[in-house]
Amino acid sequence: GEDVEQSLFLSVREGDSSVINCTYTDSSSTYLYWYKQEPGAGLQLLTYIFSNMDMKQDQRLTVLLNKKDKHLSLRIADTQTGDSAIYFCASPREGGSYIPTFGRGTSLIVHP
Amino acid sequence: DAGVTQSPTHLIKTRGQQVTLRCSPKSGHDTVSWYQQALGQGPQFIFQYYEEEERQRGNFPDRFSGHQFPNYSSELNVNALLLGDSALYLCASSLVGTQSNYEQYFGPGTRLTVT
Repeated sequence: GEDVEQSLFLSVREGDSSVINCTYTDSSSTYLYWYKQEPGAGLQLLTYIFSNMDMKQDQRLTVLLNKKDKHLSLRIADTQTGDSAIYFCASPREGGSYIPTFGRGTSLIVHP
Repeated sequence: DAGVTQSPTHLIKTRGQQVTLRCSPKSGHDTVSWYQQALGQGPQFIFQYYEEEERQRGNFPDRFSGHQFPNYSSELNVNALLLGDSALYLCASSLVGTQSNYEQYFGPGTRLTVT
């Protein structure tokens, strides 16, 4: 099965909070990533969190990590139409590499 | 500050042909990784080059090969193209030995269509 799993779609109203969820399989992951991909563009690293952290906040972004359940979430506060994109959760490849293994991505659609 | 650049942006090839894609890393970076992103999928790791050698490789056949030049730029070559090779090919750069190990910067990609 997939190393990283995400729901495929999320639709929210502008100004609301968005929560994108991810589950991963490799319990030895020392850190996990969130990437953003806008239409027709490459990937942009949004943030990453080390496995010894439960939470990381960066302006409108909050990452929560539940190691016991192997669950990662990304919360975007005050979601804007410009946040519409595909969001990828990623964990490092096996063997201690820092190269990310990506899920299929969650397409976030923000309605005015 | 020059980011990661890739060329060409779009390419159309016929089955059985060969293709070369190019990537210039972000200024100051020394490591280049290549990914294949099929429609509706996440990027899949192909391989990584550092010090002009392939350091890690994903689950891709030998038809996929690469090269890194002394100026850190890189090429991805695909031989005997198949219809299934149609995808967005992404290049990412990073800097070994620093916290930037975790931070890969991606280019805009090359859209390859095989007919």
